[in-house]
Amino acid sequence: AQSVTQPDIHITVSEGASLELRCNYSYGATPYLFWYVQSPGQGLQLLLKYFSGDTLVQGIKGFEAEFKRSQSSFNLRKPSVHWSDAAEYFCAVGVGSNDYKLSFGAGTTVTVRA
Amino acid sequence: DAGVIQSPRHEVTEMGQEVTLRCKPISGHDYLFWYRQTMMRGLELLIYFNNNVPIDDSGMPEDRFSAKMPNASFSTLKIQPSEPRDSAVYFCASTLEGTQYFGPGTRLLVL
Repeated sequence: AQSVTQPDIHITVSEGASLELRCNYSYGATPYLFWYVQSPGQGLQLLLKYFSGDTLVQGIKGFEAEFKRSQSSFNLRKPSVHWSDAAEYFCAVGVGSNDYKLSFGAGTTVTVRA
Repeated sequence: DAGVIQSPRHEVTEMGQEVTLRCKPISGHDYLFWYRQTMMRGLELLIYFNNNVPIDDSGMPEDRFSAKMPNASFSTLKIQPSEPRDSAVYFCASTLEGTQYFGPGTRLLVL
């Protein structure tokens, strides 16, 4: 079965600084990969996804992620963080095909300081 | 599209009472998932449906939990009887072509 690890529980970053959130997955084949963001009291919003093709994926709100098969990673990046990016971020992996169940990481909480 | 709709958004009930959570998936989506989120356990998959048929309910914690999907536009998650440890945020998500879209959640507090 597939699994996801988000090594960082909490990250604090200054507004305007760059942000990188790490995600490692365990799965034998090429997985479907996702990043979601959850603001306090809200549901999970899809930031971006990777199914195949170009390994650098652009998402909403200025985020991007890069799939690296050799490292089993799908790290999320943003060049310049805004205060509104303070939230919890979840990486998820799916098998795809005929089974759309996802395995979620434990999440990384991002705090943005002025 | 209005997105995934969940009701109620907040529910406060007393231990032993029946609780019914409702979900309306995005039209045309063929999978529907129910999750529970708590600080201690994170996001847990409870059950999911494909074309209204339950596929995997192994995440349902106890027989007190049941879920139905009578048609493509409606699903319920029922807890009977409810207990304080059921307090959590319950999310519904629907899927099209492999991507899950989440509802805003129902925040349940069992006293």
